[in-house]
Amino acid sequence: AQSVTQLGSHVSVSEGALVLLRCNYSSSVPPYLFWYVQYPNQGLQLLLKYTSAATLVKGINGFEAEFKKSETSFHLTKPSAHMSDAAEYFCAVTASGNTPLVFGKGTRLSVIA
Amino acid sequence: SAVISQKPSRDICQRGTSLTIQCQVDSQVTMMFWYRQQPGQSLTLIATANQGSEATYESGFVIDKFPISRPNLTFSTLTVSNMSPEDSSIYLCSASGPTSNQPQHFGDGTRLSIL
Repeated sequence: AQSVTQLGSHVSVSEGALVLLRCNYSSSVPPYLFWYVQYPNQGLQLLLKYTSAATLVKGINGFEAEFKKSETSFHLTKPSAHMSDAAEYFCAVTASGNTPLVFGKGTRLSVIA
Repeated sequence: SAVISQKPSRDICQRGTSLTIQCQVDSQVTMMFWYRQQPGQSLTLIATANQGSEATYESGFVIDKFPISRPNLTFSTLTVSNMSPEDSSIYLCSASGPTSNQPQHFGDGTRLSIL
């Protein structure tokens, strides 16, 4: 069975500050890991993915995440927050592209001017 | 990457009625998935739809309540039957394939409110 834990249901940062959203996973097989973003009243947009290639993954909008097997983590970072980054962020795990995603509970990111 | 279109984007329905949500993908995909996102919550898988076979439902979801069709490799429907206010949610369709390392992409969802 697979599971995802996102630490912190709400994270607030100042504009220009570092964004760090935490994700820990549990998986009995090598995982595929994803970060999605959901803006208000919209669907999910893929930010980035890890599928067993490079452990440091770069995504859209300046986000990146590092897969750390020893820590079972896949934390999302962005060096400098922008007001437009305010949204809900979901970490998800699956065993392959053809199996369902298991989502974390989400982290709401607020950016303060 | 696959582009997924869902219809309707939102609806307000009366208790006891049914609504069918359509999901169209712009390319052939292996698997399609239906998720539910209740207000302020994360996504929960309803079922997996594979073309040519019956959908596979997760615990807590049954075919009589959420019948699913998958007539071809680009299209699927989810019906929410005999609706009650507890069914008020966002319903999202996603698709993956044709290769196993491709991520799932999502439609914009259907925002359903039951009065």
